[in-house]
Amino acid sequence: AQSVSQHNHHVILSEAASLELGCNYSYGGTVNLFWYVQYPGQHLQLLLKYFSGDPLVKGIKGFEAEFIKSKFSFNLRKPSVQWSDTAEYFCAVLLTGGGNKLTFGTGTQLKVEL
Amino acid sequence: GAVVSQHPSWVICKSGTSVKIECRSLDFQATTMFWYRQFPKQSLMLMATSNEGSKATYEQGVEKDKFLINHASLTLSTLTVTSAHPEDSSFYICSAPTSYNEQFFGPGTRLTVL
Repeated sequence: AQSVSQHNHHVILSEAASLELGCNYSYGGTVNLFWYVQYPGQHLQLLLKYFSGDPLVKGIKGFEAEFIKSKFSFNLRKPSVQWSDTAEYFCAVLLTGGGNKLTFGTGTQLKVEL
Repeated sequence: GAVVSQHPSWVICKSGTSVKIECRSLDFQATTMFWYRQFPKQSLMLMATSNEGSKATYEQGVEKDKFLINHASLTLSTLTVTSAHPEDSSFYICSAPTSYNEQFFGPGTRLTVL
């Protein structure tokens, strides 16, 4: 069965620091990749997605992610975080032809301090 | 983007009673919807796939007789937790995919069973 790993469970950064959250998946077939964010008390929102094409994808709020097929990775980055980025971040994988079922990583709780 | 709503947003019930949670796609039709369960500080676990006009598909380990799913129309799926017990207390989230393979999530329902 496929799985998604997020190695950083809790990250604490100061404002303006750079962010990189790791995401690795275990599946050899074609996948669609997503990063979702869940702000405190709010529902999951899509940050960015990769289906095909340019492996460097840009999302909302200055986030980007790079798909490295050889490493089965889809790491999330942001050059300069803000206090408002404090949230939980989830990586998710969708198998093409898998009935639209998303498999989520365990999530990373990001806290940005002023 | 597309909007998915859930009702109620929170519910408290006594042990042994049943609780119904509604999930609606407000501005698009969804032949498939997904139900997730999220424990505190943990990731989303897919419970079942709700299929309009046919039976739901449950993930391994999910009791179909306990978590009844009905996909009544192209915009409505309901999850009924039957004979709820304290261990069923959790955050239940639904999602619906658009035709572009992008899933939109509802705000979730907090269930507390006393």
